[in-house]
Amino acid sequence: DTAVSQTPKYLVTQMGNDKSIKCEQNLGHDTMYWYKQDSKKFLKIMFSYNNKELIINETVPNRFSPKSPDKAHLNLHINSLELGDSAVYFCASSFNTGELFFGEGSRLTVL
Amino acid sequence: GQQLNQSPQSMFIQEGEDVSMNCTSSSIFNTWLWYKQDPGEGPVLLIALYKAGELTSNGRLTAQFGITRKDSFLNISASIPSDVGIYFCAGQSGAGSYQLTFGKGTKLSVIP
Repeated sequence: DTAVSQTPKYLVTQMGNDKSIKCEQNLGHDTMYWYKQDSKKFLKIMFSYNNKELIINETVPNRFSPKSPDKAHLNLHINSLELGDSAVYFCASSFNTGELFFGEGSRLTVL
Repeated sequence: GQQLNQSPQSMFIQEGEDVSMNCTSSSIFNTWLWYKQDPGEGPVLLIALYKAGELTSNGRLTAQFGITRKDSFLNISASIPSDVGIYFCAGQSGAGSYQLTFGKGTKLSVIP
């Protein structure tokens, strides 16, 4: 059973479109995260939710909107996609520690 | 924000050699962690360190939490081809802090 699963794994879309990435964890963790990894492999936190409550909201354009329907799910919706949004987006989860479990990543390519 | 300086940025080694990489910070962290990312996968936790001076091993991997709480190193002994990947250090500033700061990674290549 996959611990942190995110879909889709690959996403190719045109500039200006809206897209969503979904994430689910079956580890019973209470905290979930979205990270962005750029072409230089730098990992940057975007959002974090603890028990469905937003606790970290880094400087991210408001075109990005996370939604946590329950503590096992954290989805990411992106409006009006831009070329610079192309990256790999990782979902992760943890208890209240730095021991994160990451998903396999969703590679977004904006044309 | 907090920044971690991770070095080296990349390294090429022969199979069987030992490897060392480290991270330094201008500020104190209460937890240091080391992750490995294989190509096409998400990072996986290797070692977590919670106490200044702590030295922890996980198989051929050994990591230490610096006594000043501003640095950590990771050693890999007798490298093998499957050690190839990107190694990230990460620091967490305090108990209850949800924010991890990641280093920029060390890309390891192992020549058989």
